[in-house]
Amino acid sequence: SQQGEEDPQALSIQEGENATMNCSYKTSINNLQWYRQNSGRGLVHLILIRSNEREKHSGRLRVTLDTSKKSSSLLITASRAADTASYFCATKGGTPRLTFGEGTQLTVNP
Amino acid sequence: GAVVSQHPSRVICKSGTSVKIECRSLDFQATTMFWYRQFPKQSLMLMATSNEGSKATYEQGVEKDKFLINHASLTLSTLTVTSAHPEDSSFYICSARDPGQGFSEQFFGPGTRLTVL
Repeated sequence: SQQGEEDPQALSIQEGENATMNCSYKTSINNLQWYRQNSGRGLVHLILIRSNEREKHSGRLRVTLDTSKKSSSLLITASRAADTASYFCATKGGTPRLTFGEGTQLTVNP
Repeated sequence: GAVVSQHPSRVICKSGTSVKIECRSLDFQATTMFWYRQFPKQSLMLMATSNEGSKATYEQGVEKDKFLINHASLTLSTLTVTSAHPEDSSFYICSARDPGQGFSEQFFGPGTRLTVL
C-alpha cells in the first residue's frame, strides 16, 4: 500500500494564484521528491529536498519539509494554465526505491 | 537531464497474448531500472527493480512469472506481460537512475498504455 498521502486530492485555482499541496509519509526518509505528471505522460522531476533540509526553492516552486511531522508541502507561486497537471511526492529511504503519494490533481483556470 | 525512452507508447492486444515493453536509457548507463504500474487517477505502484546482469526484485504481490523482466544491458530493460488479461490494462512506466547525476533522482520514461481486449 502507498505510504504517502497527499492533500488535497484535487485543487482548482485561477491563473496567478498560488497553489499549495501537502504530502505526509510514515517512515524515516533520506529525501523527499516532487514530480509532475501531465495527463497520460511520464513523470518530470521538479525538486528534491534532503532530510536535513527544511526549505528549498526552485523558480516558482517552494518546498518545505518537516521531518518531525513527517510532512512536506509544495507551493507553486503565480500559477499558470500550463501548470495544470498531477503532482506527486515520493520518498526515498535507505534503498533505491521511491514510494509515491496518491497525488494532487491541479487545475489552473485561465 | 538524462533521457529515458519507452517503446511502444501504446499497445492494444487480445486477451491471452504476451506484450513486451522496452525501456532505454538514451544518454547514460543505468545499472538499475524500475518498473511501475499506474491505474487511472491513481498513483504509481512499484512493480519491480531491474538490475543489470541479475534477476529482478519484485514487490510483494507482483507475479514474477506474469511480469517477466530482463535487464540484459546497461541501457535496456524489458518488461513482458505474459498471457495478458483485461485486468492487466494499465499505464506502465519505467525509470532509471543516472550514476553521473547522483543516485537520488530517477528519470522516467513517457510510459506505455496497455489495453487488453
